[in-house]
Amino acid sequence: DVKVTQSSRYLVKRTGEKVFLECVQDMDHENMFWYRQDPGLGLRLIYFSYDVKMKEKGDIPEGYSVSREKKERFSLILESASTNQTSMYLCASSSLSGPPTDTQYFGPGTRLTVL
Amino acid sequence: DQQVKQNSPSLSVQEGRISILNCDYTNSMFDYFLWYKKYPAEGPTFLISISSIKDKNEDGRFTVFLNKSAKHLSLHIVPSQPGDSAVYFCAARSDNYGQNFVFGPGTRLSVLP
Repeated sequence: DVKVTQSSRYLVKRTGEKVFLECVQDMDHENMFWYRQDPGLGLRLIYFSYDVKMKEKGDIPEGYSVSREKKERFSLILESASTNQTSMYLCASSSLSGPPTDTQYFGPGTRLTVL
Repeated sequence: DQQVKQNSPSLSVQEGRISILNCDYTNSMFDYFLWYKKYPAEGPTFLISISSIKDKNEDGRFTVFLNKSAKHLSLHIVPSQPGDSAVYFCAARSDNYGQNFVFGPGTRLSVLP
């Protein structure tokens, strides 16, 4: 079974703090993704990575950065947290070697509140 | 502008009856569609998919129908069970997006006992 874990389930931070969200997958997947989920907006892609040290902007990258130093780990960084970054953050991974339409496997999510 | 729309934010259905969740898309280049199910405090899990070369795919109680000319797909759950109560996301991809999917806003299904 694919397992995608996220470092925290709930996180409360103050405006201006630097925030790290960690994601680890154990299936040797090449692709990793960070989404945020907001009511009425669904899942929106922040950043993704197809390989170690590689990153691509998604639909809403502003205010975020990412790091992929190892294949199994993909970190999302909020350089200076703001209240509008209060959201549910979901990490996902998928295999490049499967069909192009391989499904994405999601972690349980991190509920981040920025005060 | 959302490329994948789920116009019903919520849906309530009696246990044992059919649940129909709808999804519309605007990009005619989308060639593969998935439905994900999400329980509270959990990540989405893959439910069922359909390629644009098909118009129907069935897996147990779940059937997805695709109408390419109308750019519409629907998920049918028969019979509905209380454990089906969750948020359902429709997602679509095309080669333009590589390995990425575009997700709809979700529909919250409540199956009433």
